[in-house]
Amino acid sequence: DTGVSQDPRHKITKRGQNVTFRCDPISEHNRLYWYRQTLGQGPEFLTYFQNEAQLEKSRLLSDRFSAERPKGSFSTLEIQRTEQGDSAMYLCASTDYNEQFFGPGTRLTVL
Amino acid sequence: DQQVKQNSPSLSVQEGRISILNCDYTNSMFDYFLWYKKYPAEGPTFLISISSIKDKNEDGRFTVFLNKSAKHLSLHIVPSQPGDSAVYFCAASGRDSGAGSYQLTFGKGTKLSVIP
Repeated sequence: DTGVSQDPRHKITKRGQNVTFRCDPISEHNRLYWYRQTLGQGPEFLTYFQNEAQLEKSRLLSDRFSAERPKGSFSTLEIQRTEQGDSAMYLCASTDYNEQFFGPGTRLTVL
Repeated sequence: DQQVKQNSPSLSVQEGRISILNCDYTNSMFDYFLWYKKYPAEGPTFLISISSIKDKNEDGRFTVFLNKSAKHLSLHIVPSQPGDSAVYFCAASGRDSGAGSYQLTFGKGTKLSVIP
């Protein structure tokens, strides 16, 4: 399967803990995006990488959130000191042109 | 303010008939539009897209129409099948997104139910 993969698929954590998610994009895609989706809403943009460079961040990305894409391959999204409001589906997408292809997402539940 | 709006939260259609899903946008800088299909607990799956230089794009049972003057697009599915039952998201991207990211702005989705 050469699609976008994300790990883990589900994460349950207690408030105040740190969590890290991983995304493996389609191998030839140099652009990678993170989105967040909450119930009843469409996905909302969080951040964007062109190769290893993080070029844009949404105002939704508070200072508790950090993302990396070392060597321009896989990416990680870390949330520090999680809050209940962080509970959502975190989606990763990659592209080399216009159409973005999404992974299955990581469902985060903060208790 | 919502830049991409899908005003119908749900739609029910008989199998074999046409499904028409609508989407409106407000940002005139949007120049590329996409439709995604989403099943529960899965990521969105790309369906079809259209550039602002076109007014129609067709792929099998799926056709997207773009009316730039009205800032409106629609997705037609003909004939509708029970497997089409899912949430459909309209998304848009444009030149004004910073650093050339072409980030997608999504609507809230329309849940399509195709009744056998």
